[in-house]
Amino acid sequence: GAVVSQHPSRVICKSGTSVKIECRSLDFQATTMFWYRQFPKQSLMLMATSNEGSKATYEQGVEKDKFLINHASLTLSTLTVTSAHPEDSSFYICSALPGLASYEQYFGPGTRLTVT
Amino acid sequence: KQEVTQIPAALSVPEGENLVLNCSFTDSAIYNLQWFRQDPGKGLTSLLLIQSSQREQTSGRLNASLDKSSGRSTLYIAASQPGDSATYLCAVWGKTSYDKVIFGPGTSLSVIP
Repeated sequence: GAVVSQHPSRVICKSGTSVKIECRSLDFQATTMFWYRQFPKQSLMLMATSNEGSKATYEQGVEKDKFLINHASLTLSTLTVTSAHPEDSSFYICSALPGLASYEQYFGPGTRLTVT
Repeated sequence: KQEVTQIPAALSVPEGENLVLNCSFTDSAIYNLQWFRQDPGKGLTSLLLIQSSQREQTSGRLNASLDKSSGRSTLYIAASQPGDSATYLCAVWGKTSYDKVIFGPGTSLSVIP
């Protein structure tokens, strides 16, 4: 089946620094990718929808200047958490859609971010 | 606005018992419904995906049903095992494959040996 990878799987950073998380579709091209975050003991919440070659669409309440999303190619989307703070500590998961005709999104394994 | 709920929030059962997890959604115009498993501190493992035209899917000891008209899905686990202990998430698509996925809050399952 289709495989989506994320890198890194875990990252610890200091408050005020920026962190980049990569989401790659390994064996298919993804015109659309989605970014979710999960707080401890809560479910996943959609942050933004990323379309290749265009600006991401952010969900209400998600700061686009803080969570920079770049979908520069059909196999890679990146999420950069800028000037990270402890409250940004979370589990971030991406999903990728092989094409509009596909009936399933494929989820990456997630990245656990801890900001100290 | 689509809302997804799951009942119960937590469940503890003895090994060997059959169990049912419930998922409800408010907007019946969905594209897919998918059940995931999440182990503590880990990512998602896809269990079963039911397309809107389907009524159920089966994989091993798992069976998921979908009733769009009533806005419900159930995940049936037969002969539960301690290894089934995890959080089970229900997720629904909007009207298309590229629509957003809305996750339920999950059911935390503990199977006691």
